[in-house]
Amino acid sequence: SAVISQKPSRDICQRGTSLTIQCQVDSQVTMMFWYRQQPGQSLTLIATANQGSEATYESGFVIDKFPISRPNLTFSTLTVSNMSPEDSSIYLCSVETDMNTEAFFGQGTRLTVV
Amino acid sequence: AQKVTQAQTEISVVEKEDVTLDCVYETRDTTYYLFWYKQPPSGELVFLIRRNSFDEQNEISGRYSWNFQKSTSSFNFTITASQVVDSAVYFCALRVYNQGGKLIFGQGTELSVKP
Repeated sequence: SAVISQKPSRDICQRGTSLTIQCQVDSQVTMMFWYRQQPGQSLTLIATANQGSEATYESGFVIDKFPISRPNLTFSTLTVSNMSPEDSSIYLCSVETDMNTEAFFGQGTRLTVV
Repeated sequence: AQKVTQAQTEISVVEKEDVTLDCVYETRDTTYYLFWYKQPPSGELVFLIRRNSFDEQNEISGRYSWNFQKSTSSFNFTITASQVVDSAVYFCALRVYNQGGKLIFGQGTELSVKP
């Protein structure tokens, strides 16, 4: 199993600013992911955070808007840049230790952009 | 392309009723995994079950049971004798083995159990 600490748990931000969300795992994991959950919606994958290289983004998400870092096997950050009210969502960090286990999720970051 | 469909957006039942949440998936891959997660109002995702594509055996865990049928591409979830604490949004998800581990989620079913 894996225990994930995600910070901040919630934030209210002004439009046009940026917020960096941190994800810390208690053990080394090969796969880390960032998901977005818009209000009342399902979870959508933003990107796969790759250790030591650029993240792999899903269709509709770009690096300039959602830069991701992953300096090692236990830590990653997601930045939501130049925020607008449409970015108000829950952002979740997820990790998988291998394909034969479930994905573990952080508590999520509830972002409100005003 | 892969897809997960949870046709039931909202379900409301009275406590002690049985309820089944439907999940239909689409994939052309032969190796994949199916999951159910629960998201209570607090927002965290709680893992409930994982099934791989080679294991069609149904499973029961307490009041929860899952019916996996590859012939109909369905992975339905039944709660027996529902309780108020079961009220949450339930997500079905698909992971395809050669897609790098990402999960494809259904739209979720919001279950409301009334006393």
